[in-house]
Amino acid sequence: GQSLEQPSEVTAVEGAIVQINCTYQTSGFYGLSWYQQHDGGAPTFLSYNALDGLEETGRFSSFLSRSDSYGYLLLQELQMKDSASYFCAVLSTNDMRFGAGTRLTVKP
Amino acid sequence: DTGVSQDPRHKITKRGQNVTFRCDPISEHNRLYWYRQTLGQGPEFLTYFQNEAQLEKSRLLSDRFSAERPKGSFSTLEIQRTEQGDSAMYLCASSFSLRDYNEQFFGPGTRLTVL
Repeated sequence: GQSLEQPSEVTAVEGAIVQINCTYQTSGFYGLSWYQQHDGGAPTFLSYNALDGLEETGRFSSFLSRSDSYGYLLLQELQMKDSASYFCAVLSTNDMRFGAGTRLTVKP
Repeated sequence: DTGVSQDPRHKITKRGQNVTFRCDPISEHNRLYWYRQTLGQGPEFLTYFQNEAQLEKSRLLSDRFSAERPKGSFSTLEIQRTEQGDSAMYLCASSFSLRDYNEQFFGPGTRLTVL
């Protein structure tokens, strides 16, 4: 079957680094995406990994290991505005499947 | 503002009524997706179009749901005989299909409440 697992909640302090893991099980895998969603807002795109390795975009980095069916989102120099839900999403032959989301709380 | 618009933003209806939502994607995007999201969950895939062709439809989607994208531009999602379980945020997203890249731009959503 198809599944996506990510932690439900993470808490960190301003300026810290946090890693949100995602494991998936799917057929026809194309790539792994990460989206950010603030309360009351729509998801916004952060990154997409189709190949193994690390992609860096400013304070955010995303990693994919296709052989391990595993990826993570790394957030550095955390800011209060980073408090939001983060979703990993698998793009496959048939659809785009989102995880249940990780709620990140950044404390001062 | 991502450039994807949805109308209406809110819809309250009585059980058994039909509702229709509209999505206007970014004009140069050829892919359009519909999702449903409930509180505390990730977006749930419903269907997607490449140009005017509906390529996939979730097996979870009942026959009461239908979507169209007649000219490969805007899309409509219709729910017939609404049920209380249909209450959710309905999200539309668009993207330009590339082999090795997928960035979806989401609209603000239509919040449906079925009484």
